[in-house]
Amino acid sequence: SQELEQSPQSLIVQEGKNLTINCTSSKTLYGLYWYKQKYGEGLIFLMMLQKGGEEKSHEKITAKLDEKKQQSSLHITASQPSHAGIYLCGADSGGSNYKLTFGKGTLLTVNP
Amino acid sequence: KAGVTQTPRYLIKTRGQQVTLSCSPISGHRSVSWYQQTPGQGLQFLFEYFSETQRNKGNFPGRFSGRQFSNSRSEMNVSTLELGDSALYLCASSTDMNTEAFFGQGTRLTVV
Repeated sequence: SQELEQSPQSLIVQEGKNLTINCTSSKTLYGLYWYKQKYGEGLIFLMMLQKGGEEKSHEKITAKLDEKKQQSSLHITASQPSHAGIYLCGADSGGSNYKLTFGKGTLLTVNP
Repeated sequence: KAGVTQTPRYLIKTRGQQVTLSCSPISGHRSVSWYQQTPGQGLQFLFEYFSETQRNKGNFPGRFSGRQFSNSRSEMNVSTLELGDSALYLCASSTDMNTEAFFGQGTRLTVV
């Protein structure tokens, strides 16, 4: 079965700093999703990547999927306290699985 | 466009009881997936429905069941509740797999 490993598990940064969160899959990714979650709440969709080498940006967040489609990174530029939360990557392994497999999450704290 | 709506937001049940959770997907979305989130296990896939058909089921006991109606609304039912069923239950809707998937706010179930 597919497994996703996220690193780091937690991250504390000073406001204004850049940061990167990584997500590595044990299998080729058919689709890679990034979500943000505030504790105890639902997941907020950030981006979905499908093609090797694909890169998407929204405001100050950029996500990339490597050429081999087994690793993705999420980069936040000039972090703000509003970026704080849990970042989760989810993978669709394609075929007839019809499910997303998620990593354990990265807890981001941004200190003002 | 309205988002994914889950009801109720919070539930407290006693061991042995049963519970039904509801999920109304985004208009036009025919795929609804359910996930259980706990601190220890993270996000675990329960089942996925598309046009009233269950296409995949996760590794949960038969006490967990679900269904989808012709208007794509979905319900999940947990019978004979156990303390370990306490969790945040999330549903996600999409047009199909490998497309953008949006989550609801979740239902927080506490079993006492």
